[in-house]
Amino acid sequence: AQKITQTQPGMFVQEKEAVTLDCTYDTSDPSYGLFWYKQPSSGEMIFLIYQGSYDQQNATEGRYSLNFQKARKSANLVISASQLGDSAMYFCAMRPYSGGGADGLTFGKGTHLIIQP
Amino acid sequence: ETGVTQTPRHLVMGMTNKKSLKCEQHLGHNAMYWYKQSAKKPLELMFVYNFKEQTENNSVPSRFSPECPNSSHLFLHLHTLQPEDSALYLCASSQRTGMGGAFFGQGTRLTVV
Repeated sequence: AQKITQTQPGMFVQEKEAVTLDCTYDTSDPSYGLFWYKQPSSGEMIFLIYQGSYDQQNATEGRYSLNFQKARKSANLVISASQLGDSAMYFCAMRPYSGGGADGLTFGKGTHLIIQP
Repeated sequence: ETGVTQTPRHLVMGMTNKKSLKCEQHLGHNAMYWYKQSAKKPLELMFVYNFKEQTENNSVPSRFSPECPNSSHLFLHLHTLQPEDSALYLCASSQRTGMGGAFFGQGTRLTVV
């Protein structure tokens, strides 16, 4: 079984500052993927970034980067130069790689990020 | 259309009603999922379909009945629901193989009265 822990229920950040959202995970699977999603008030889950457990380099997608520390089982999301539109719920998730199986994602409880002008 | 589309966006139903949620994906994926998001709880995986075959059912009550006629369409049939079933129901799709992310629809906000 997998478990995702997000310890920050809510965060307030000043516009244009960088923000780090914490995520730790627990799994016995040797191969897995880690994901971050953004959920604005409209409800849609928006895929942001992905990191494979065997990837040597940290993933980056525009202003998003994933600080992957495998030994510590952490996969923090870093948003650079935050914008007002970044205000939303952010979810960390993982999926085991069972050799082709369509296993579903396990999600954390989320962090509510509010960007202040 | 592109992405994952869910209809309806909002649904209010009585406990004796029968309704269906629809999901359609235009991404060429071959796995589809139903998730439930209740207030103050993490997203819960309900059902997984892999090439139209149900591969996972996470102890979901029988008042929720999924149907996957093909790789692009997924339904969730609802009957005799309870008020505690009120939640946001999200559909997602992904490739069966590889480690790509799942893509979600906008969800159906369900209220059971």
